[in-house]
Amino acid sequence: GAGVSQSPSNKVTEKGKDVELRCDPISGHTALYWYRQRLGQGLEFLIYFQGNSAPDKSGLPSDRFSAERTGESVSTLTIQRTQQEDSAVYLCASSLEGTEQYFGPGTRLTVT
Amino acid sequence: GENVEQHPSTLSVQEGDSAVIKCTYSDSASNYFPWYKQELGKRPQLIIDIRSNVGEKKDQRIAVTLNKTAKHFSLHITETQPEDSAVYFCAARGGSYIPTFGRGTSLIVHP
Repeated sequence: GAGVSQSPSNKVTEKGKDVELRCDPISGHTALYWYRQRLGQGLEFLIYFQGNSAPDKSGLPSDRFSAERTGESVSTLTIQRTQQEDSAVYLCASSLEGTEQYFGPGTRLTVT
Repeated sequence: GENVEQHPSTLSVQEGDSAVIKCTYSDSASNYFPWYKQELGKRPQLIIDIRSNVGEKKDQRIAVTLNKTAKHFSLHITETQPEDSAVYFCAARGGSYIPTFGRGTSLIVHP
């Protein structure tokens, strides 16, 4: 079946602009995660959605970062007033509650 | 919160040798420990996982061991092949369902 998809695959933006990244989870997966991965680094947790519960936003690095998810479908991660340090690959993952995560291919964000 | 330490950061072996990557965790409530392989430019993919009610799990050339008392777990790859070259991440997860990842180990298998 279809896996987790993300768009765009690459995004180049100018410092100060807003960007929106999209994640389509595996159908039926109630849990959705966003991570940031800087070059050569590990996975930095950003936000977690589980069904209709309030999201866990404890990993968001600043108030410039926000995310939404409608029900158990698509999620969007928005970064406002982008900075050069926001350059990274943004990974989305989905799962059934308590089971293994399936990752998307990521969006490579470059802020110039 | 949970803290996961992973060692070594880089591991270089000859084809056919074994490779061992070790992780420690801090939260005794963690009960699920997955390992992910990430090839260059690709997404992380689960290769093996273990839950806290078992001490060892094997899948062909890959095995994971868990010591709950010492709060550490290890990935063992036997008969390494060049296609095993990748970055490997360990993770620990408890009741919050948010895994904490290690910083990764870059495994290089020389032919």
